[in-house]
Formats: sequence, structure tokens, C-alpha cells
Amino acid sequence: EVHLGQSGGGVVQPGGSLRLSCAASGFAFSDYWMQWFRQAPGKGLVWVSRINSDGTDTIYADSVRGRFTVSRDNAKNTVYLQMSNLRVEDTAVYFCVRDRGDYNWNYDGFDYWGQGTLVTVSS
Amino acid sequence: EIVVTQSPLSLPVTPGEPASISCRSSQSLLHRNGYNYLDWYLQKPGQSPQLLIYLGSSRASGVPDRFSGSASGTDFTLKISKVEAEDVGIYYCMQAIQTPFTFGPGTKVEIK
Repeated sequence: EVHLGQSGGGVVQPGGSLRLSCAASGFAFSDYWMQWFRQAPGKGLVWVSRINSDGTDTIYADSVRGRFTVSRDNAKNTVYLQMSNLRVEDTAVYFCVRDRGDYNWNYDGFDYWGQGTLVTVSS
Repeated sequence: EIVVTQSPLSLPVTPGEPASISCRSSQSLLHRNGYNYLDWYLQKPGQSPQLLIYLGSSRASGVPDRFSGSASGTDFTLKISKVEAEDVGIYYCMQAIQTPFTFGPGTKVEIK
């Protein structure tokens, strides 16, 4: 059974840092791209970042570029989101998401989502 | 950035009756491969989003066949043939043809 188990959320002061982890199981993790999305309290869904299957290619939303870094360890079946210089507006539930996509435009949608982890940026 | 809009934003439904949600993108989502890169997700209360439809009209694994998606240019529709009580939640459409991937504002479906 496919499972994405998230951890690492919490409360942090503005300007602080936090690292989110997403441990995958039940599928060949190294074959999949991974995405991060977030959802501010009571708001809609926003895309944050994507990493390809071997971790060599990453992209970011403008709002987090230069502050967030996505990475993965395929030996540990885990993807990470390192967040630094956090702002109040980064407060949200963060979701890691599986993506079967590739550079040939094969696509099956974002079919498995983690349970989400809450990041609260507040003084 | 592609802007995605949805209507209605709120949809009271009666179990057993059909329901329809519209989504419109500010740019074409049609790739040269012939597919529209438009997904539909349902976020039930207190849960993570779940994939319903991808590439405009392909039903995700395990999704009941009462859900269907269609496309006409930059207009997309999600239809529920007969709403069930378990279908309540917020429905989002999302364009997946270019980053940043963008979502519509969501349609809240609730039972009358």
C-alpha cells in the first residue's frame, strides 16, 4: 500500500528555519517525481516545489524561491523541504505528493498525498 | 501564470440528483500530444486532497464511475451523475501544463 508519512512541522519565529520530511513506502520511490503543496488555514491549495526522480532537477514557486530547498534521499525513500527565512505568510499545512510525471509528458495526476504537516510562523 | 476559475463556489446538492462544476483556464491546457492537462481533486473535511480526474477526463484508480470530466477549449466540467452523501467537500480543478501549477478557488459541495 502506498503511504507518504510526513513529519517536521511546528511553530517557528519569523526568520527561522524548519525541515519537513516525507517518508514514502509501498512503491518504487526512486521512479517518481515528488511535489510539495501548501494550504494556508481556510484557504485553497498552492503549489510550492517539484523535484525529479533522481533529485537533479528542482523548481520552485516564486514566493519561496531562494528560501526553500527541496531534496531527496532515494536510499531512505524520503523527500525533504528545507525552509529558511520563514515568513508569517508561510503559515500553512504542507503536503508532499507523488507524481508519476516525466520529461515525456506522461502524467497520471497527483495520485497520493501525505497527511499534511502544519507549519506555523509566529512571534 | 495561468489563472484558473471555478463556478459555482458553493453548490448545495440533493442525494441522488446530478451535479456539475465548471472550471475555466486563462490559457489553453491542450498539449501537442492531444491531452488537456487539467485535474480535479476533492478535499473532504479534515482530509488531504484526493485525485478524481486527470488529463481532463481520465478517472483515477478507485474513483466511482459517477464522476466524469470533460473539456471544451479552455472550459472544463466535472459531473457527478448521482450525488451521494460521501461526495461532500471542496472540489478543486488544477492546471498541470506549466509551473506554477495553479488551482481554482474551489467549489464547496454540501448536502441540502
